Amino acid sequence: DAGITQSPRYKITETGRQVTLMCHQTWSHSYMFWYRQDLGHGLRLIYYSAAADITDKGEVPDGYVVSRSKTENFPLTLESATRSQTSVYFCASSESGEMNTEAFFGQGTRLTVV
Amino acid sequence: RKEVEQDPGPFNVPEGATVAFNCTYSNSASQSFFWYRQDCRKEPKLLMSVYSSGNEDGRFTAQLNRASQYISLLIRDSKLSDSATYLCVVNMNTGFQKLVFGTGTRLLVSP
Repeated sequence: DAGITQSPRYKITETGRQVTLMCHQTWSHSYMFWYRQDLGHGLRLIYYSAAADITDKGEVPDGYVVSRSKTENFPLTLESATRSQTSVYFCASSESGEMNTEAFFGQGTRLTVV
Repeated sequence: RKEVEQDPGPFNVPEGATVAFNCTYSNSASQSFFWYRQDCRKEPKLLMSVYSSGNEDGRFTAQLNRASQYISLLIRDSKLSDSATYLCVVNMNTGFQKLVFGTGTRLLVSP
């Protein structure tokens, strides 16, 4: 199916483990984003990418690593998971970085770190 | 002060009611504004962009007041299906598409 998909949808992991969240889009959008959503906070940007091999930090990047070797994929890795990284993670993409461009979101990954 | 602030609600209204949400933003240089809708445990989806002149889409009207730095969303003739959380989103125009999200306003429409 076309669109933007995330996997897994749900994940439980232990403190200290490395975990990778996957994001795949079929529109060939240039921009891709990772957000986390927590109670009391709006969605907060973790990392974004303007194109393949171009990534940059967002508001809350500590403890996360991203890569973008192909336009359609933008995995997010938690190098050593902590309980504070328990959250809902949303991947998004947009056609360009222009101001009024709509962002399309994946269905989210609910991550619990125990 | 948060960059984008919203009343979290919930707003409980009967079907057919008119309800309005406000949102304030702190960066006066912000250039673009949106309302996104998020259903429970789902992803956000664009409801409408907000333009300086105000814009309407069916039962939904969005207004922007740059002088006071606030954005509003008016929903007329509320439907049960309008129950959701409405996210105010501002593009801070820092050279890339930096969308800053409010925490959302929850709307519950009852029969």
